[in-house]
Amino acid sequence: DTAVSQTPKYLVTQMGNDKSIKCEQNLGHDTMYWYKQDSKKFLKIMFSYNNKELIINETVPNRFSPKSPDKAHLNLHINSLELGDSAVYFCASSQTSRGGGEQYFGPGTRLTVT
Amino acid sequence: AQRVTQPEKLLSVFKGAPVELKCNYSYSGSPELFWYVQYSRQRLQLLLRHISRESIKGFTADLNKGETSFHLKKPFAQEEDSAMYYCALSGLSGSARQLTFGSGTQLTVLP
Repeated sequence: DTAVSQTPKYLVTQMGNDKSIKCEQNLGHDTMYWYKQDSKKFLKIMFSYNNKELIINETVPNRFSPKSPDKAHLNLHINSLELGDSAVYFCASSQTSRGGGEQYFGPGTRLTVT
Repeated sequence: AQRVTQPEKLLSVFKGAPVELKCNYSYSGSPELFWYVQYSRQRLQLLLRHISRESIKGFTADLNKGETSFHLKKPFAQEEDSAMYYCALSGLSGSARQLTFGSGTQLTVLP
């Protein structure tokens, strides 16, 4: 019973390509997040959606576009991939946007741009 | 603005020794502090939250508002405690709460 799942687990692609990462949660949570963990293991929030509505949008290049078709799914689409986009991307969810401290994380997607 | 500082990037202790992972925060409102742990090649998971004042896997953390600290402690470290530990602060960003993570401390418990 995976609570938060992401696909794919690994993604290797070339510069300039467009790719998507999918995230699904079966916890019935209202709020979902995308985080980026860089090579130094620093974890930084990128986006947050509450009931399909964007509520947090950090300073992220507009090549990154999140999409939430329903509250159980939050996908991340990246256009024109660059070397600096190589990182591990984590999806997470929380019960509500107000109770955002306790979050459940997915296993991560390791993106390598060559 | 909210900020979390973990001054130690790497920390090594011997099995059975006490361990303390430091965390300091900066936040103008009433903070909610958490410790998250990431074991090797596993997902990040919640370890402790300051509100519940609980002990998980022998770890405790006390919020000290005067020193703006939330250090994580364990009296006797075990090898299975080796992991990356993140201190996190949940603060309001607009109408939503946002987690801000520290840079993490990689704990290695030596046999």
